[in-house]
Amino acid sequence: AQTVTQSQPEMSVQEAETVTLSCTYDTSESDYYLFWYKQPPSRQMILVIRQEAYKQQNATENRFSVNFQKAAKSFSLKISDSQLGDAAMYFCAYSFYGGATNKLIFGTGTLLAVQP
Amino acid sequence: ETGVTQSPTHLIKTRGQQVTLRCSSQSGHNTVSWYQQALGQGPQFIFQYYREEENGRGNFPPRFSGLQFPNYSSELNVNALELDDSALYLCASSLAVKNTEAFFGQGTRLTVV
Repeated sequence: AQTVTQSQPEMSVQEAETVTLSCTYDTSESDYYLFWYKQPPSRQMILVIRQEAYKQQNATENRFSVNFQKAAKSFSLKISDSQLGDAAMYFCAYSFYGGATNKLIFGTGTLLAVQP
Repeated sequence: ETGVTQSPTHLIKTRGQQVTLRCSSQSGHNTVSWYQQALGQGPQFIFQYYREEENGRGNFPPRFSGLQFPNYSSELNVNALELDDSALYLCASSLAVKNTEAFFGQGTRLTVV
């Protein structure tokens, strides 16, 4: 069974600094997707960034980038130039492309605090 | 283009009662998934509907059931509510089953007392 593990329950960063959130996963599949979602107090899950497993190049979206290590099954999120609005719960998630559904398997989340 | 909307935003039910939660998918999306997010946890997949048929289910008992309507909106029904059913219930829609970009609603906070 596929699992996603986030070992950092809470992280803190100073405004304008850089922070890295960790995620590891377990799967026997070779074709899958990995995601980072942000959940602010409004509760709505917002997609931050997506990585296709078959792509070696790490995904980037403005201040957000990932370090995808397929062999190590590691998928970390780097937030550069942190802003107060980045404060939220961040979830790492996995989806197997070849399944009957596109269901997401989530980790337990990392609560990010941004200090002014 | 409207996003995913869920109703109600909050509700309180008594143990043993039944509840129906509603979700309007994003325009053009034919696939809807439901997730349960207990306090301090990541969301857990309940089931998915594609073109009005259930096409996948997580590890939830049969008292969790759903429907999808011709306009692709969806309902989640929970019978015989238990205290552990207290959670945030999230609905997510996507263009198709094979499309991995899911758009989430703001959730329904269910409290069972």
